[in-house]
Amino acid sequence: QQQVKQSPQSLIVQKGGISIINCAYENTAFDYFPWYQQFPGKGPALLIAIRPDVSEKKEGRFTISFNKSAKQFSLHIMDSQPGDSATYFCAASQHGSGNTGKLIFGQGTTLQVKP
Amino acid sequence: DGGITQSPKYLFRKEGQNVTLSCEQNLNHDAMYWYRQDPGQGLRLIYYSQIVNDFQKGDIAEGYSVSREKKESFPLTVTSAQKNPTAFYLCASSIDRARGWDTEAFFGQGTRLTVV
Repeated sequence: QQQVKQSPQSLIVQKGGISIINCAYENTAFDYFPWYQQFPGKGPALLIAIRPDVSEKKEGRFTISFNKSAKQFSLHIMDSQPGDSATYFCAASQHGSGNTGKLIFGQGTTLQVKP
Repeated sequence: DGGITQSPKYLFRKEGQNVTLSCEQNLNHDAMYWYRQDPGQGLRLIYYSQIVNDFQKGDIAEGYSVSREKKESFPLTVTSAQKNPTAFYLCASSIDRARGWDTEAFFGQGTRLTVV
């Protein structure tokens, strides 16, 4: 119930291409879905996040698509650049009274963008 | 500048030793978290604390201990009972997310612990 499953584990994309990373969850009470970006030897940093009342959120080249009925959400990176090469984590959490709001993370996707 | 500071960046532990990882934040955040990161397994929650003098076990708390005597500090001790402690440890903090806010969790730069 608390798992978030992420795929693929690794991804290689040519510069200018579209990178797509998918996540699926089981707990329908989750109400916050962030994506984190992590460079080697660094801590993760928030990239973009979405709530389940919208189906898409776009920030620059990064877009989250959310499918509530399928319990899936995905990250799309348009015009991928070598500087986007990093590990990406999806996550989910549940807010509100009686909940801790703790983040449940997916397994991570290592993205390599080739010049 | 506000942020989370973890120290040391690298730590080496001998078999049977306890070691303590430091985590300090000056963001005035209520909640603090410790995660362990292993290749291919994502981030797994060890302990978290939503308020001073209170903390809860996460998914993999065995072999670890924490304290929260001050709002700014949340040290993690890796005890000799932790049989496979070699990993990258990440500390994070946020406003108390149980209040229903879409609050960002800020992470430190991590401590890489190696058993020698």
